[in-house]
Amino acid sequence: QITLKESGPTLVKPTQTLTLTCTFSGFSLSTSGLGVGWIRQPPGKALEWLALIYWDDDKRYNPSLKSRLAITKDTSKNQVVLTMTNMDPVDTATYFCARYRWGYDYWGQGTLVTVSS
Amino acid sequence: DIQMTQSPSSLSASVGDRVTITCRASQSISIYLNWYQQKPGKAPKLLIYAASSLQSGVPSRFSGSGSVTDFTLTISSLQPEDFATYYCQQSYTTPHTFGQGTKLEIK
Repeated sequence: QITLKESGPTLVKPTQTLTLTCTFSGFSLSTSGLGVGWIRQPPGKALEWLALIYWDDDKRYNPSLKSRLAITKDTSKNQVVLTMTNMDPVDTATYFCARYRWGYDYWGQGTLVTVSS
Repeated sequence: DIQMTQSPSSLSASVGDRVTITCRASQSISIYLNWYQQKPGKAPKLLIYAASSLQSGVPSRFSGSGSVTDFTLTISSLQPEDFATYYCQQSYTTPHTFGQGTKLEIK
């Protein structure tokens, strides 16, 4: 059974750095062809792709946010961590992590992050 | 970035109807097109990958077609649980952009 779960703060202040952890089970991120990505969704809006890390540690970022994002993995802990610097109220959204193979086939439940002073 | 444009943005239909949603890419993406269903408060669910491959466990009333820049998602006979928002997404190259969504509502 494959599961993913996001964890991190629900409230951050403007200019702060957000750190989100995706803890997964049922697969290994050392398996060739697999990746774990992050996608977010502002309230009432569409999905926005943020970043992806592959099994071989190749990292990809949304160019519009690249300067603010960093994605890492800890294969031994089955975790992927996303950091986003200089948070702004427009970054208020539900943040999802998901396993990538052909598409994003397994998703976490999402975590709502609110940016407010 | 590759832009994904879905149409329509919203759609009203009845149980039993056949429904088609279209997605157009701003450049060629071969068959690297995925479809998701999202219900309120829930994570998206992968329905179709590689344009026409049905994800395991997804009912056969869902089907996908297309290649290059033009794609369709078809629901052959709408069921009550199909009323949701549908997104297309390209995985040809990063950023893996999504369409703006199509909200399917009950008529």
